[in-house]
Amino acid sequence: AQSVTQLGSHVSVSEGALVLLRCNYSSSVPPYLFWYVQYPNQGLQLLLKYTTGATLVKGINGFEAEFKKSETSFHLTKPSAHMSDAAEYFCAVKKPGGYQKVTFGTGTKLQVIP
Amino acid sequence: EAGVAQSPRYKIIEKRQSVAFWCNPISGHATLYWYQQILGQGPKLLIQFQNNGVVDDSQLPKDRFSAERLKGVDSTLKIQPAKLEDSAVYLCASSLDVDSSSYEQYFGPGTRLTVT
Repeated sequence: AQSVTQLGSHVSVSEGALVLLRCNYSSSVPPYLFWYVQYPNQGLQLLLKYTTGATLVKGINGFEAEFKKSETSFHLTKPSAHMSDAAEYFCAVKKPGGYQKVTFGTGTKLQVIP
Repeated sequence: EAGVAQSPRYKIIEKRQSVAFWCNPISGHATLYWYQQILGQGPKLLIQFQNNGVVDDSQLPKDRFSAERLKGVDSTLKIQPAKLEDSAVYLCASSLDVDSSSYEQYFGPGTRLTVT
């Protein structure tokens, strides 16, 4: 079975500081990995994804993540936090092939302090 | 391109009542998903359709939940009778591909259900 662990249900950073949200996964095969953002009272929006190829992937709003197979990690980073980044972030994993479902982590709520 | 539409956005019912949620996916998306998101948790897949056939409903509480996707487009999720623990946000999502490097799910705004 596949799973995702997000370390830290709440993370606070100062505006302009580095954002680092941690995600570790478990999968029996090389997975597809995703980061989604959810603003209050809205659905989830894809930030970035890793499927194949380059292990450092860049997404929207200045976010990026690096797939590290040896560490089974897919941490999300942004060099400088903006107030508008305050939201909840979900890491997700999917096995390639067929109708494999997407499994989400429990989420990390990011607070940006002015 | 229009996104995934859901209605209603909010619903409050008493336990043992029934409720239905509607979802209209992005045009041309063959795969449709219903997720349950309980406060403080990530979305949990309830059911996945490919066109109008069910691909995965292993986590759907079939004694009270049902879903259909007639004609492979719109979908309805029903709960009957509702329990207090069904209070959650119900998210609908759709995707064009099932499995490729371009795979992506697009989510609707969700329906927030409160059972009292």
